[in-house]
Amino acid sequence: QTVVTQEPSFSVSPGGTVTLTCGLSSGSVSSDYYPTWYQQTPGQAPRTVIYSTNTRSSGVPDRFSGSILGNKAALTITGAQADDESDYYCVLYMGSGISVFGGGTKLTVL
Amino acid sequence: QVQLQESGPGLVKPSETLSLTCTVSGYSISSGYFWGWIRQSPGKGLEWIGTTHYSGGTYYSSSLKSRVTISADTSKNQFSLKLTSVTAADTAVYYCARRRGSTGAYWFDAWGQGTLVTVSS
Repeated sequence: QTVVTQEPSFSVSPGGTVTLTCGLSSGSVSSDYYPTWYQQTPGQAPRTVIYSTNTRSSGVPDRFSGSILGNKAALTITGAQADDESDYYCVLYMGSGISVFGGGTKLTVL
Repeated sequence: QVQLQESGPGLVKPSETLSLTCTVSGYSISSGYFWGWIRQSPGKGLEWIGTTHYSGGTYYSSSLKSRVTISADTSKNQFSLKLTSVTAADTAVYYCARRRGSTGAYWFDAWGQGTLVTVSS
């Protein structure tokens, strides 16, 4: 079974730029996987940040952007703020109505 | 504004069936969209379980397919999750959510608050 891979953790300084990635254990991620990114803080339900590779969800600041970088999907935060400190999960569409979450990246802003 | 609320037993015995219901308010599930379940084991990541449409279309995670059933009840504006033969590994916070989008470009735009289900004797 194909596994969706993410960095377990990442840190960024306030005001800095960070790129989180989402890959596959076998193969390359393209826009055909319609990558979606969710942000989750402790004790809360996730909220959508990016869907369909690079579309920001309603109300999401424009410092968040999505793209395909090489063979992975990417979520870039430009000008990170303290309240961006969260867990970030990508989801890839595998076809036949099925999606799979990645393991998540814990982002620390310090 | 759509709201979702999970309900069901917080404790289930091993080998029994986990049953949860998601009550939707502010939107009629028969108006469209798919409705799904996602879970999160304590301290772990999110896991996509499956989605259903009121008309009957249903999709399940490959790893859970043999044990899971998701269905919709338009008369009550609810949808449900049943997971059979549970073990401690099924202990998790279970979220229900509304799925938007089309042709693979899907995302969950509204979520319940989540409900913790513990599998233990």
